[in-house]
This record gives sequence, C-alpha cells and structure tokens, in this order.
Amino acid sequence: GDSVTQTEGLVTLTEGLPVMLNCTYQTIYSNPFLFWYVQHLNESPRLLLKSFTDNKRTEHQGFHATLHKSSSSFHLQKSSAQLSDSALYYCALSLANSGTYQRFGTGTKLQVVP
Amino acid sequence: GALVYQYPRRTICKSGTSMRMECQAVGFQATSVAWYRQSPQKTFELIALSTVNSAIKYEQNFTQEKFPISHPNLSFSSMTVLNAYLEDRGLYLCGARDWGAKSAETLYFGSGTRLTVL
Repeated sequence: GDSVTQTEGLVTLTEGLPVMLNCTYQTIYSNPFLFWYVQHLNESPRLLLKSFTDNKRTEHQGFHATLHKSSSSFHLQKSSAQLSDSALYYCALSLANSGTYQRFGTGTKLQVVP
Repeated sequence: GALVYQYPRRTICKSGTSMRMECQAVGFQATSVAWYRQSPQKTFELIALSTVNSAIKYEQNFTQEKFPISHPNLSFSSMTVLNAYLEDRGLYLCGARDWGAKSAETLYFGSGTRLTVL
C-alpha cells in the first residue's frame, strides 16, 4: 500500500544552522502529490508546501522542497533555522484524482535551540 | 478563500458517553471529507473517507458502529464518537476536498476537536 516514511522522530538544531527533514514515500501510482504540514503546539496542521512536479523546487516561508520521483523523496529544507520553526512537521502523500485521502508520515519534531 | 470550521474545539466527556463533532466548509464544495485522529504522541490516522452520494469508507480498526459519519451535502459533515473510552482521546481533524477545484488535491483542514475522556 501507499506509505510515507519520516526517519527522524526528533531533530534538534542550533539557531542559524540549516534544516533538512527527510521524507520518502511508496506508491504504485506515477503521479503523487506530496505535502509538508507544520503543526505548532495545540494547533491543527497547516499546509507549508506541496508539489506534484518532478524535480521542481517549491518554496514557502523560507522552506523549500523538491519532489524527486526517481528517489521517491520530498525532503524539507531551510537555509537557516529560527527558534519559531520549532514544531512538528508532517510529510503527506495524496493521489490526485483517485478519490483517496492524504496519508501522513509519523512526523518529525524540530527543536531549534539558541 | 476556502475555510473549514470545526467545532467544538475542545470537549470533555465521561467514559462510556458519546460526543459529536461537526465541520462546515465555507467558500468551496466539500466533495470529500476525511476524518482523522491524532492520538497522543502519534501521527494522524485516517478514520474514514466520506464522499457525497457515495458510501463512507472506513479504515481498518475503525467502524461505522463506533464512529458514525454524516455527510448530507457539500458544506457539512459530522462524526460522532460513540461510547468513548480512554483510548479514544486525542485530536480529531476533518479535512475536506473539492474535486472540482483547480487544486483538487488540497485538503482544507478544520481546527480540530480535542477530546478528553474522563
């Protein structure tokens, strides 16, 4: 079945250092949509990025990710972490036009420290 | 813009009682509504996917008898947690899609209903 893997449960970084959160996926379909959501404490998840196009960088609020179908990856990156980036980050997979839902990864908690 | 209002935001119920949560789509047509549960320290599990004029599809480990869902039109969906027990606590989230929209892949999430069971 379809699945999303986020290998890191917790990432702790010093402010100012680059961020990279891993996301890989498995699906038999050739045209998946990939998403990154951010969830702050006691809030619902908020869409951060999404992509459908292979090898095209997508950016929002300083974060960026590129969907690579060859490696089934959609890693989230940011050049310089800020304290306010501390949150839970979820990678999700959706199959466009198939009537299905979004399947979430297990999430990565990002802790940015001074 | 597209918004989903979900209520209540928080609810507390006694063990063995039931509670209902509702989602209202504004600014778009909620063709499909996915209901998720985030248990403490866990990711979002899909409970069921509801599509207007189609049967509701429940995921393994979730049943209509426990989580009955109503999706009567393109702007409203509700879900009830029947006979809630401690393991049902968590954040319940509805996410709605508009199949006819340009960004049909986008799920618009409600703010969530946090359920505490005493």
